[in-house]
Amino acid sequence: DGGITQSPKYLFRKEGQNVTLSCEQNLNHDAMYWYRQDPGQGLRLIYYSQIVNDFQKGDIAEGYSVSREKKESFPLTVTSAQKNPTAFYLCASNDRERQPQHFGDGTRLSIL
Amino acid sequence: AQRVTQPEKLLSVFKGAPVELKCNYSYSGSPELFWYVQYSRQRLQLLLRHISRESIKGFTADLNKGETSFHLKKPFAQEEDSAMYYCALSGGGGSNYKLTFGKGTLLTVNP
Repeated sequence: DGGITQSPKYLFRKEGQNVTLSCEQNLNHDAMYWYRQDPGQGLRLIYYSQIVNDFQKGDIAEGYSVSREKKESFPLTVTSAQKNPTAFYLCASNDRERQPQHFGDGTRLSIL
Repeated sequence: AQRVTQPEKLLSVFKGAPVELKCNYSYSGSPELFWYVQYSRQRLQLLLRHISRESIKGFTADLNKGETSFHLKKPFAQEEDSAMYYCALSGGGGSNYKLTFGKGTLLTVNP
């Protein structure tokens, strides 16, 4: 079954801790994205990558970091610098310019 | 800069009534517009895109460049249409892959 797999489904972070959210796709898509979804805020773009070993900041990149070492993987690290990390995080991918994005099931991050 | 505005956070209609979810955009070039839907406990998924000019689940949306709108319409709402709907825009300027989303409209269809 092709698609995007995000793990874990739920994640808890302690104060001062970095946590990494996983995103894997087997759609052979070039571009991958990370969004943050908050109630009443819609989806806001954190980081995106159009090609392996390259990525760009989105609208709310502060306190986050990413890597793109493999085409199928785009992990997101929520660092301790992110003061309000509690949110639902969505990973997406697409093929070519302006093609629809496919989304994962999301990871819900909470603070302990 | 590109922007998408969905003026209604919440929209409630009765089953069988027409429904229109509004979407206005701001973009200087030629945009590509999408509607995404998120049903309860399901992943966000594409509903339709303006270049397809097709009807999905009875929904249609027409791009009106003069009014910079891309409203989503359905003549007879069903209870299973209850979901969160997001309008999204893909522009250009070297970041053609990016999508800008509106804040979403939660549609509730009452029996």
